[in-house]
Amino acid sequence: EPEVTQTPSHQVTQMGQEVILRCVPISNHLYFYWYRQILGQKVEFLVSFYNNEISEKSEIFDDQFSVERPDGSNFTLKIRSTKLEDSAMYFCASSEAVVQQETQYFGPGTRLLVL
Amino acid sequence: DAKTTQPNSMESNEEEPVHLPCNHSTISGTDYIHWYRQLPSQGPEYVIHGLTSNVNNRMASLAIAEDRKSSTLILHRATLRDAAVYDCILRRSGGYQKVTFGTGTKLQVIP
Repeated sequence: EPEVTQTPSHQVTQMGQEVILRCVPISNHLYFYWYRQILGQKVEFLVSFYNNEISEKSEIFDDQFSVERPDGSNFTLKIRSTKLEDSAMYFCASSEAVVQQETQYFGPGTRLLVL
Repeated sequence: DAKTTQPNSMESNEEEPVHLPCNHSTISGTDYIHWYRQLPSQGPEYVIHGLTSNVNNRMASLAIAEDRKSSTLILHRATLRDAAVYDCILRRSGGYQKVTFGTGTKLQVIP
């Protein structure tokens, strides 16, 4: 069964450093998402991406964050200058283009620890 | 957005059916009822969704009240692998949207 993959599974970085989290969505999907989950809290939406542009973003997704689909398969989340509070699990998701209700398929996540 | 209410936690014995309730008294006519679950240390996983009629798939069944103000996710035979946080989420119709997760119900399955 096709699945969303994410790399790396764990990333440790120093505060102020840039990190890039990578995702390979399911191949025929057209909508892409990033979510995050701080330890012990609920999953929070960051950004959605369709047709090479951001469709929606949350308040969390400030100027320090950016997303890109550099080629036909990868979808990346960049945090320009990491802060301690960016430590969280980051989940990528993708979905097909359907008319009514789409199902989002989530990757296993990248655990980011900012020291 | 319409809100859902779920118990914080529930327990079930292995191989017994589990009924996970969800109240959504302010649901609108265009809201679909979705269930996702999150197993420990994993990403969220879609379980099932419906609008008005009851729905079945290989993972679970979804029973929707006639007035749509509540619904129940039914796992027919709980296994240890079903231990997870189950989230009942309302999503408007019309294409792609973000999934707005709540705190869900933590299901413990007892061997």
